[in-house]
Amino acid sequence: DTEVTQTPKHLVMGMTNKKSLKCEQHMGHRAMYWYKQKAKKPPELMFVYSYEKLSINESVPSRFSPECPNSSLLNLHLHALQPEDSALYLCASLGGGNTEAFFGQGTRLTVV
Amino acid sequence: KQEVTQIPAALSVPEGENLVLNCSFTDSAIYNLQWFRQDPGKGLTSLLLIQSSQREQTSGRLNASLDKSSGRSTLYIAASQPGDSATYLCAVFDYGGATNKLIFGTGTLLAVQP
Repeated sequence: DTEVTQTPKHLVMGMTNKKSLKCEQHMGHRAMYWYKQKAKKPPELMFVYSYEKLSINESVPSRFSPECPNSSLLNLHLHALQPEDSALYLCASLGGGNTEAFFGQGTRLTVV
Repeated sequence: KQEVTQIPAALSVPEGENLVLNCSFTDSAIYNLQWFRQDPGKGLTSLLLIQSSQREQTSGRLNASLDKSSGRSTLYIAASQPGDSATYLCAVFDYGGATNKLIFGTGTLLAVQP
């Protein structure tokens, strides 16, 4: 199973709402990533978890809060977002050594 | 800071043509390099992984090469088909201490005309 599953596929939220994005993988990968992708742009790294600990935070605003409850699950908690945060949010996982990265299908987020 | 550039930004070819997509990176101290395709509004599909010790990888009609010393990778697509139309992204594995960071190129939008 080389699948990374993201839910929900689409999300519309108001600027005062709190919502969460979920990402799951069962490949035993120990590194998991959140990326943000705006239209016609490449994905930009937000966070990296390695062995369930936050390893990299690319200076992301605190209204985005990542969480890694276990080695298979990655969440992104959203609060007080702005319309410019509307984007495709992608999750990825990576095994150790010379393995390839696998991406989920993304969550299309719209902030109104 | 690692910067990854892809040329051309967009490409339109008739069906059946062979084509080459280019990826350049500024810091040659990368770990691996991976090519992806992305259909509109969708996630990323892995095409090929070139490990740091390799110079080339092939999968079906796709062939990717890597020259770390010159900071370049190419993706060769043979006998292109309309179904190949998508955005193609290269990503370098930049070693960020304890963790690899995948840094993406600017992408090439490919349209294959029937």
